[in-house]
Amino acid sequence: DQQVKQNSPSLSVQEGRISILNCDYTNSMFDYFLWYKKYPAEGPTFLISISSIKDKNEDGRFTVFLNKSAKHLSLHIVPSQPGDSAVYFCAARSPPDKLIFGTGTRLQVFP
Amino acid sequence: GAGVSQSPSNKVTEKGKDVELRCDPISGHTALYWYRQSLGQGLEFLIYFQGNSAPDKSGLPSDRFSAERTGGSVSTLTIQRTQQEDSAVYLCASSLGGGLPTQYFGPGTRLLVL
Repeated sequence: DQQVKQNSPSLSVQEGRISILNCDYTNSMFDYFLWYKKYPAEGPTFLISISSIKDKNEDGRFTVFLNKSAKHLSLHIVPSQPGDSAVYFCAARSPPDKLIFGTGTRLQVFP
Repeated sequence: GAGVSQSPSNKVTEKGKDVELRCDPISGHTALYWYRQSLGQGLEFLIYFQGNSAPDKSGLPSDRFSAERTGGSVSTLTIQRTQQEDSAVYLCASSLGGGLPTQYFGPGTRLLVL
């Protein structure tokens, strides 16, 4: 039973445009949601997080939106840059401290 | 460096052999986690340590897997009698604990069981 789902395995966006990555979850007990970026042969790098009591968190070009009623969150990257090309993982924290990851979305930003 | 370090970076072993994977967390981080990523999959939780509390071992796939954390710092993940399905990238992460959610990952150990 996959509790965190990223239904789009890949996304291709032109440089300068907005990238929107989506994530759905099933467990209403998750208390935090996090996004990580992963380059090949490297460990995941933390990008941004949001508490389950919030609906939006912004950090520079990255904004995460949380819709609790729909059990859905999204990561917006604007403007997208070629260096953003990577695999993006959505993760949810199951209290007290276990992260449940989605299967990832590969983002390609082309010139 | 100040990040999480893992060794070895790559390990090739024969089926049936035991392997040990090492993790050095960020200094001062009280929580340490092990995950693994199989080809084309997301990260799968294995085990986590928080301070002196008993570890949460709920993600370990079989009793061939064990982990320890010595002195509240370095951790070793041991896989006994390795099987081909154990081939994966094993990732270690650490965090400040205290309820803060962000976990910081090391580069991983790529394990290949022949």
